[in-house]
Amino acid sequence: GAGVSQSPRYKVAKRGQDVALRCDPISGHVSLFWYQQALGQGPEFLTYFQNEAQLDKSGLPSDRFFAERPEGSVSTLKIQRTQQEDSAVYLCASSPTSGGGQETQYFGPGTRLLVL
Amino acid sequence: AQTVTQSQPEMSVQEAETVTLSCTYDTSESDYYLFWYKQPPSRQMILVIRQEAYKQQNATENRFSVNFQKAAKSFSLKISDSQLGDAAMYFCAGGTSYGKLTFGQGTILTVHP
Repeated sequence: GAGVSQSPRYKVAKRGQDVALRCDPISGHVSLFWYQQALGQGPEFLTYFQNEAQLDKSGLPSDRFFAERPEGSVSTLKIQRTQQEDSAVYLCASSPTSGGGQETQYFGPGTRLLVL
Repeated sequence: AQTVTQSQPEMSVQEAETVTLSCTYDTSESDYYLFWYKQPPSRQMILVIRQEAYKQQNATENRFSVNFQKAAKSFSLKISDSQLGDAAMYFCAGGTSYGKLTFGQGTILTVHP
């Protein structure tokens, strides 16, 4: 079966542009997470969805960041008015249910965003 | 809130030898989980091993095992019989009850033939 996919894999944006990053989780997975990974660092949590409900968005760094998962499957992370500090790899992960801190999270390959 | 610290930015090991990667954590959660994830240069993060904090027995997965010292808040990863394919960035992570992960800074592991 297909794993988690993300698109685009690479995105170059000029400062001030809006970008949209897409995540296709494993089919049927209830939980979906977004993480931001700066170069040479560990990923940092951005937001969490349980089906279509965004239950935790405490990691979003500013109101320029917005995420949605309207039908409980595909998710989009949108960054408005991009800044150079937004340059990072954005990772999406999904897990089968909503019940488990012990569950394996399956990660996508990430989208590398470079803001010039 | 959780914090995870990996104090070894880089480690190296000879093929077939054993290496231990260190991790310490702090948490206010009573119910938590600890993980080691591997991120090869292709960047797809893969779960290596997990430990439930309420379990005293250390987790093992083939050549990978952990030394979980709850009182010391230590969670190290031992890789036995190291293979070239083990070369990657390794992240220690703490998980909440619903799955949110807090990662350490990572340790780059080099395996020498």
